[in-house]
Amino acid sequence: DIQMTQSPSSLSASVGDRVTITCRASQSISSYLNWYQQKPGKAPNLLIYVASSLQSGVSSRFSGSGSGTDFTLTISSLQPEDFATYYCQESYSTPRTFGQGTKVEIK
Amino acid sequence: QLQLQESGPGLMKPSETLSLICSVSGGSFNSHNHYWGWIRQPPGKGLEWIGSISSSGDTYYNPSLKIRVRISVDTSKNQFSLNLNSVTAADTALYYCARQTIDSSRDVFDAWGQGMVVTVSS
Repeated sequence: DIQMTQSPSSLSASVGDRVTITCRASQSISSYLNWYQQKPGKAPNLLIYVASSLQSGVSSRFSGSGSGTDFTLTISSLQPEDFATYYCQESYSTPRTFGQGTKVEIK
Repeated sequence: QLQLQESGPGLMKPSETLSLICSVSGGSFNSHNHYWGWIRQPPGKGLEWIGSISSSGDTYYNPSLKIRVRISVDTSKNQFSLNLNSVTAADTALYYCARQTIDSSRDVFDAWGQGMVVTVSS
């Protein structure tokens, strides 16, 4: 199985801050990397697919980059509705695996 | 607007078989670009993909659960089902059903049910 490791596990930030979350795969997954946002009590919501493509309807303040084993999710200017947990997920192999999550909290 | 809704028992005893159904409405169930998957989330933990099925019945499973899992589809009802046998407390989780879109540009879980809590306890 490919292991997905996110860092940090949690972070505190203020509205307006630029936030970066990283995701590292245990082996190369090319660009087969997706990002999801999960708010408390809600199902995950797809933000980014194939590392850098923005899902329809998602704010352009979200962006993704990377390839191979190292990926980043960036929120350019954190908004109140962005406080949530973020997961990366590889779609390169079976089983599909998720990172452990990064919780973004209000400072 | 595509909607997915999980249903089934919320409380089970160890060694029983978990059976959940996902009902899909408001969209195409038989598209060749779509698989239908199950994903679970233990309390306070991350997401674990269980397995997926196409509308024609092709399945693939997480190897860690494969010997206990069966996913089936009923296209006449726009439903797909999860069976997980010999459950233990470790199977206590929030179970989501989701649409998995697979095409030349992506392989993503792009629509989710609201989730259903399943507790395994004696």
